[in-house]
Amino acid sequence: AQTVTQSQPEMSVQEAETVTLSCTYDTSESDYYLFWYKQPPSRQMILVIRQEAYKQQNATENRFSVNFQKAAKSFSLKISDSQLGDAAMYFCAYRDESPGTYKYIFGTGTRLKVLA
Amino acid sequence: DGGITQSPKYLFRKEGQNVTLSCEQNLNHDAMYWYRQDPGQGLRLIYYSQIVNDFQKGDIAEGYSVSREKKESFPLTVTSAQKNPTAFYLCASSPPDRVTEAFFGQGTRLTVV
Repeated sequence: AQTVTQSQPEMSVQEAETVTLSCTYDTSESDYYLFWYKQPPSRQMILVIRQEAYKQQNATENRFSVNFQKAAKSFSLKISDSQLGDAAMYFCAYRDESPGTYKYIFGTGTRLKVLA
Repeated sequence: DGGITQSPKYLFRKEGQNVTLSCEQNLNHDAMYWYRQDPGQGLRLIYYSQIVNDFQKGDIAEGYSVSREKKESFPLTVTSAQKNPTAFYLCASSPPDRVTEAFFGQGTRLTVV
């Protein structure tokens, strides 16, 4: 079964600095999608960035970028120029596409604190 | 506006009572999902449905039941058989496109006393 692992329960970063959140996953598939979600104190889940395993180029969305290492099954999220509004829970997710069905598998999350 | 609506936002129930959480979407998505969120455990899949009148158990289905009579609606019933029902419940939906993420509702906080 596919699994997603986030080994950092909590991280802290100074405002304006850069932080990297780790995510590893396990799959036997060759093409799949990976996602990072942000959950602020409101608890609304917000998509941050997505990556297709078939593409070699790392995805980027403004201050957010990923370091996708397919062979290592690693999908880390880098947040540059951290802002107070980045403080939230961050979840890594894998889209599981078993025959005839599809679902999203999430990691346990990393709580990011941004220090002023 | 298109989106997913969960109601109510907060729900209190006495131990031993069944309770139903509502989830409605107007995004015309085929698939719908229920997740449970507990501190330190991330989002765990309870049930999911790809089409009307069909659904599959997720990783923690025991003590829960669902129905999918309409494309727009996927209610979750927390039964008295669920041993630790107090949690935050999230409903989500997605189209079949592989590139598309799951879209989430605002969640329901269920407290059983």
